[in-house]
Amino acid sequence: GAGVSQTPSNKVTEKGKYVELRCDPISGHTALYWYRQSLGQGPEFLIYFQGTGAADDSGLPNDRFFAVRPEGSVSTLKIQRTERGDSAVYLCASSLTVADTQYFGPGTRLTVL
Amino acid sequence: DQQVKQNSPSLSVQEGRISILNCDYTNSMFDYFLWYKKYPAEGPTFLISISSIKDKNEDGRFTVFLNKSAKHLSLHIVPSQPGDSAVYFCAASAGTNAGKSTFGDGTTLTVKP
Repeated sequence: GAGVSQTPSNKVTEKGKYVELRCDPISGHTALYWYRQSLGQGPEFLIYFQGTGAADDSGLPNDRFFAVRPEGSVSTLKIQRTERGDSAVYLCASSLTVADTQYFGPGTRLTVL
Repeated sequence: DQQVKQNSPSLSVQEGRISILNCDYTNSMFDYFLWYKKYPAEGPTFLISISSIKDKNEDGRFTVFLNKSAKHLSLHIVPSQPGDSAVYFCAASAGTNAGKSTFGDGTTLTVKP
């Protein structure tokens, strides 16, 4: 079956621009997670959803970052006024429930020039 | 303050030998630990996990050991195969917030034929 998909796979933008990153979880998975991975580091938790609601958004670095999951399936991570320090691979994962194994997508590589 | 640490950035072993990857944590609230494997340009893939009520969990060639008093866990791969060459991440979560995982920075394992 289809795994977690993320679009675009690569995104290059200029400092100050707005970007949206999309995640399509595995069908039927109620939990969805966003992570950010900088070069040479492990994934850093940003936010996770249980259904449509954000259960924990404590990892969002500041108010330029926002994520939604309006119908409990697809999620969008939105970054306003991008900065060069936002450059990283943004990973999405989903799981059947919060207690189950997380399945990761391939990530979106964001480069802010 | 990094709560999950993998102090060895890289490890090289001969095919057929044992690979031992180590991980230390500082947060005593962590009660569930996972190992992920990651190939280039792919998302992490779940490998094996252990709950804090156990000190060992085995799955085929992979065994995870947990020493709670030392706040240390290790992943043993026996026998190592060239296809095991990848980056291995240790991650931890607390039962009070199972959806939020904290990752180490990874260890790159190279298995030489």
